[in-house]
Amino acid sequence: GAVVSQHPSWVICKSGTSVKIECRSLDFQATTMFWYRQFPKQSLMLMATSNEGSKATYEQGVEKDKFLINHASLTLSTLTVTSAHPEDSSFYICSAPGGGRDGAFFGQGTRLTVV
Amino acid sequence: LAKTTQPISMDSYEGQEVNITCSHNNIATNDYITWYQQFPSQGPRFIIQGYKTKVTNEVASLFIPADRKSSTLSLPRVSLSDTAVYYCLVGSYNTNAGKSTFGDGTTLTVKP
Repeated sequence: GAVVSQHPSWVICKSGTSVKIECRSLDFQATTMFWYRQFPKQSLMLMATSNEGSKATYEQGVEKDKFLINHASLTLSTLTVTSAHPEDSSFYICSAPGGGRDGAFFGQGTRLTVV
Repeated sequence: LAKTTQPISMDSYEGQEVNITCSHNNIATNDYITWYQQFPSQGPRFIIQGYKTKVTNEVASLFIPADRKSSTLSLPRVSLSDTAVYYCLVGSYNTNAGKSTFGDGTTLTVKP
């Protein structure tokens, strides 16, 4: 079945640095991918829609200059958290639409801890 | 995107059937109903999707009444490994699948 892979699974970074998270569709092409953030004991919150070959669209309240999204190919979208701060510590998850009766395919998530 | 309402939590015992109901009063004509399962520190995993009546796969059944304003996920004979958060989502079938508004979900705890 279709798989979406995220890398890294977890990352610890110092405050003020930038972190890049990769989301790959392994056996299918995805012109659109979605990025979510999930804080402990909370639900997933959609951050942005990543569009291959064009700018990402961000949900209200999400800083586009802080969360840089690049979708340079049909199989790769990246999320860069710039100038990370401890409040950016969260679980980041990407997804891609399924083409059939499979809903969406989600990555395994990336645990970001900013110290 | 239609808003959904689910119970916050449910408890069950191994071997029992578990039914989780989701309300989606504002579901649109072209919306599908999709259920996901999420374990701690993992991304959600697709369980089942349906539009109307009943859908069954190897892990669950989905019951949708004629008015489609609610749906029930049925998990037969649950085990400890079914302890997870279950999310009910409604949305269009194709392009927007994945652009979803997640509600609070239902935390299912299966006890021995």
